[in-house]
Amino acid sequence: ETGVTQSPTHLIKTRGQQVTLRCSSQSGHNTVSWYQQALGQGPQFIFQYYREEENGRGNFPPRFSGLQFPNYSSELNVNALELDDSALYLCASSRDRAAYNEQFFGPGTRLTVL
Amino acid sequence: AQSVTQLGSHVSVSEGALVLLRCNYSSSVPPYLFWYVQYPNQGLQLLLKYTTGATLVKGINGFEAEFKKSETSFHLTKPSAHMSDAAEYFCAVTPSDDAGKSTFGDGTTLTVKP
Repeated sequence: ETGVTQSPTHLIKTRGQQVTLRCSSQSGHNTVSWYQQALGQGPQFIFQYYREEENGRGNFPPRFSGLQFPNYSSELNVNALELDDSALYLCASSRDRAAYNEQFFGPGTRLTVL
Repeated sequence: AQSVTQLGSHVSVSEGALVLLRCNYSSSVPPYLFWYVQYPNQGLQLLLKYTTGATLVKGINGFEAEFKKSETSFHLTKPSAHMSDAAEYFCAVTPSDDAGKSTFGDGTTLTVKP
């Protein structure tokens, strides 16, 4: 059983650029959540996708957008990058959108915005 | 809305000593509660969770936690610390009526001294 994978591992961008992060969910999982983890803080919920539809969104501006594909992999897009967007971005998949389900996390993508 | 407070950003114990990591939460609806562990350069891994039923929950690696509704707490304990327990620990709450919005605490870094 393949776990959650994310690409790329590291990324360096400059302010104002756009970035796309990718996530492959664990086999059999149809729900993907994205989190932003700033240095020294816990993960902050960005949004969740269930069967290709957005199923909840945290307090992030519209320049953070996402997509889920028919195979349940997912993308996180961030436009007009700001310095404060520098963080570890975590993707987590779960069997379905039920609140009691365990989330399986990928290793994250470290984004640095200069 | 919900929130999580982890008391003590750093906890240091000696090998073989009791581990106690504190978590208090607030939630407007019955919560589901989770503890995750994060090792350096890795994603989060579930230690244990409380959904319904027995309030004392046992997890992996000898950890357990007790849900105390009256105290709005979900503290994590382990009777005897091992060097391999050194990591960062996160408490998380998901409202039972909104699967799409998990809230994490800021984490507690556990150091285990030989």
